[in-house]
Amino acid sequence: SAVISQKPSRDICQRGTSLTIQCQVDSQVTMMFWYRQQPGQSLTLIATANQGSEATYESGFVIDKFPISRPNLTFSTLTVSNMSPEDSSIYLCSAASATPAEAFFGQGTRLTVV
Amino acid sequence: AQSVTQLGSHVSVSEGALVLLRCNYSSSVPPYLFWYVQYPNQGLQLLLKYTTGATLVKGINGFEAEFKKSETSFHLTKPSAHMSDAAEYFCAVSEGFTGGGNKLTFGTGTQLKVEL
Repeated sequence: SAVISQKPSRDICQRGTSLTIQCQVDSQVTMMFWYRQQPGQSLTLIATANQGSEATYESGFVIDKFPISRPNLTFSTLTVSNMSPEDSSIYLCSAASATPAEAFFGQGTRLTVV
Repeated sequence: AQSVTQLGSHVSVSEGALVLLRCNYSSSVPPYLFWYVQYPNQGLQLLLKYTTGATLVKGINGFEAEFKKSETSFHLTKPSAHMSDAAEYFCAVSEGFTGGGNKLTFGTGTQLKVEL
């Protein structure tokens, strides 16, 4: 299994600012993903973080708003840019290895935009 | 495309009673199916998964689920609920590593309440 550490665990931010969330995995993994969980809702995939290349975004999410980096196999960042109250959510990092069908999740970052 | 439907956003059971959380899926390829649990202010923890093979899968904390292809279902059960089972449960589907790169599509979740 993989252990995923996310930082920060929570933050309160002013609208118009940006926040970068870090995700560290304790072992090399093939796939890393970022999800959003809006209040009282399920998880929605934002993007797949690709090592050394641009992330692959899902419909409704764009790079300008959610830039993602993945410089190596164990680390990724998600930036929430120019935040508005609608961005208040839990953001979760997920990792999957080459062994099929096992996805692990970090504890999440609880973001509140005021 | 894949999708998941969880019937019942809130389920309440008595301690010691049977837990049944329903999940139906849609997938264009043989699916991989998962149940995750989320306790308050925490991330997601995998309860169990179905990939191939035996259709009845057992997970942690006494939970099990049965993959029924004919019914496109993957319902989660536990014979006897415990107070510590109170949490939110998510069913998810993946098209597998080669199909969707292990991208998960989640259901809307079921909040389980366990009463004395």
